[in-house]
Amino acid sequence: EAGVAQSPRYKIIEKRQSVAFWCNPISGHATLYWYQQILGQGPKLLIQFQNNGVVDDSQLPKDRFSAERLKGVDSTLKIQPAKLEDSAVYLCASSLEGVKLFFGSGTQLSVL
Amino acid sequence: KNEVEQSPQNLTAQEGEFITINCSYSVGISALHWLQQHPGGGIVSLFMLSSGKKKHGRLIATINIQEKHSSLHITASHPRDSAVYICAVSSNYQLIWGAGTKLIIKP
Repeated sequence: EAGVAQSPRYKIIEKRQSVAFWCNPISGHATLYWYQQILGQGPKLLIQFQNNGVVDDSQLPKDRFSAERLKGVDSTLKIQPAKLEDSAVYLCASSLEGVKLFFGSGTQLSVL
Repeated sequence: KNEVEQSPQNLTAQEGEFITINCSYSVGISALHWLQQHPGGGIVSLFMLSSGKKKHGRLIATINIQEKHSSLHITASHPRDSAVYICAVSSNYQLIWGAGTKLIIKP
């Protein structure tokens, strides 16, 4: 079974630039999560999708972050413009309701 | 008060010791997850529980739905078990995370 795919693995940008991350969840998984994990801290939920609808985006900084999940499958997370404090690992995870979570390998973003 | 509480926050033990990490929650859940994160590594799902007990290798996870409590046990601990162990619960289509337990196993 293929896992959750994320790309890119690493990204280095300068502040005020834009960046986009991509996630392909496991086939058939209705729930998709984007997390931000700053070094030394636990993951913080940015947005949760159920199919192509948003369940929770209360912690998403909507002035600069956006996410979409077209057709309820792949998802992209965008930051525009990036700030220094956005440096973190961005994790994508998927699950069927009540079934094991699967995480992607994450995208490590460095904002200089 | 956090909806998912883990204890201890930090745990250091000698190789071979039996390890227990506890998780208590205060919300209704459809499932409880135990996750592992190595330093600089991704997050790996160890167990998903809705009742009873599961075992995988040296890892055992139990859950008591009535008491809203789960434990993760590691038998014959090894330095490679050193990681952060996270308890998370699925509740109303949302995932609520504990703060994690940082485990260090010394040779």
